[in-house]
Amino acid sequence: IAGITQAPTSQILAAGRRMTLRCTQDMRHNAMYWYRQDLGLGLRLIHYSNTAGTTGKGEVPDGYSVSRANTDDFPLTLASAVPSQTSVYFCASSDSQGSDTQYFGPGTRLTVL
Amino acid sequence: GQNIDQPTEMTATEGAIVQINCTYQTSGFNGLFWYQQHAGEAPTFLSYNVLDGLEEKGRFSSFLSRSKGYSYLLLKELQMKDSASYLCAVMDSNYQLIWGAGTKLIIKP
Repeated sequence: IAGITQAPTSQILAAGRRMTLRCTQDMRHNAMYWYRQDLGLGLRLIHYSNTAGTTGKGEVPDGYSVSRANTDDFPLTLASAVPSQTSVYFCASSDSQGSDTQYFGPGTRLTVL
Repeated sequence: GQNIDQPTEMTATEGAIVQINCTYQTSGFNGLFWYQQHAGEAPTFLSYNVLDGLEEKGRFSSFLSRSKGYSYLLLKELQMKDSASYLCAVMDSNYQLIWGAGTKLIIKP
């Protein structure tokens, strides 16, 4: 059982390019999340999904979009990358949106030049 | 606004005990989580407190006082592998996690 996988592990991207970060979980969790982690700051929620077919905006959603076509996959898309989106991106999942523990993927380190 | 405060960095000696504090001000409270994050890795779950008091799990314990907006993580019998960042997070009234910036714990032999 892999848990949560993310791809790519790292990426260098030119500003203005489109990029999709992939996230897949095999735990049949209902809720999934995308966070970014920047030095000196706490994890910040970008988007979340409580169940397949629904998504919601977190604290810092601008410049990002998500979709949740099925239970397992939750891709994050940067339509036109900007240098301020340079960060480490973590995908997480939990059994429900409530107070259930969130489990994290290994992260994607993205650099936008 | 919502705020989670924890020390930026702490240093402790192998075999000793260390207490990492976390204070919070959030819109609502649905529990407090502690996660461990080694450099370059994902956060991993350590503990969850929703009621006041102490939760003990092996060498790690976590305490919560909801009236004071305060929690601490206590690590006993420190080992070199405990060198990591420790993240405090509070679940608010919307069931979203609000995260502190983390405390980097350095263990010296």
